[in-house]
Amino acid sequence: GAGVSQSPRYKVTKRGQDVALRCDPISGHVSLYWYRQALGQGPEFLTYFNYEAQQDKSGLPNDRFSAERPEGSISTLTIQRTEQRDSAMYRCASSLNPPTGSYSNQPQHFGDGTRLSIL
Amino acid sequence: GQQVMQIPQYQHVQEGEDFTTYCNSSTTLSNIQWYKQRPGGHPVFLIQLVKSGEVKKQKRLTFQFGEAKKNSSLHITATQTTDVGTYFCAGRGTDKLIFGTGTRLQVFP
Repeated sequence: GAGVSQSPRYKVTKRGQDVALRCDPISGHVSLYWYRQALGQGPEFLTYFNYEAQQDKSGLPNDRFSAERPEGSISTLTIQRTEQRDSAMYRCASSLNPPTGSYSNQPQHFGDGTRLSIL
Repeated sequence: GQQVMQIPQYQHVQEGEDFTTYCNSSTTLSNIQWYKQRPGGHPVFLIQLVKSGEVKKQKRLTFQFGEAKKNSSLHITATQTTDVGTYFCAGRGTDKLIFGTGTRLQVFP
């Protein structure tokens, strides 16, 4: 079946522009996660959703970053007034059940990511 | 905040040699997961460990969770070129996963 789909695969934009990154999780997956991965580093948690509710946004670097998942399926990560330091691979992952209680050991399924470059 | 460190950062081995990566958390974990990321690819789930002292095997891969649930290890016996990639541990304290710094494995034929 289809995996996690992210678009665009690559995004190059000038500093100061806004960008929107899209994630389409595996069908039926309740939880959706956003990560940022710098080259040679592990994924860094940004935020996550259960259905349409944003559960934790403690990893968002500042108020230029926001995310939404209005219908509990597709999610958008928006970065306003981009800066060069925002350049990175942005990855989305989904899991079948929420990462709490008896489901706390849910594996996460990652997409291929969006490579964002800010000029 | 919670931090998860891995050592070594890089490991180059000859095909057939063994490989081990170690993962250490600053806090006690409820469980730990391991992921493999091939060059140019995305992290792929390998396994999860939940119980203190748990040991799990997948063919040539052996995963261990420490007694204090603050550390873990992945051991690969007789590496093959298909083992090339970066191995990440990811520890869960409450609800979110904190990924380790990763160990990049290179295998020379």
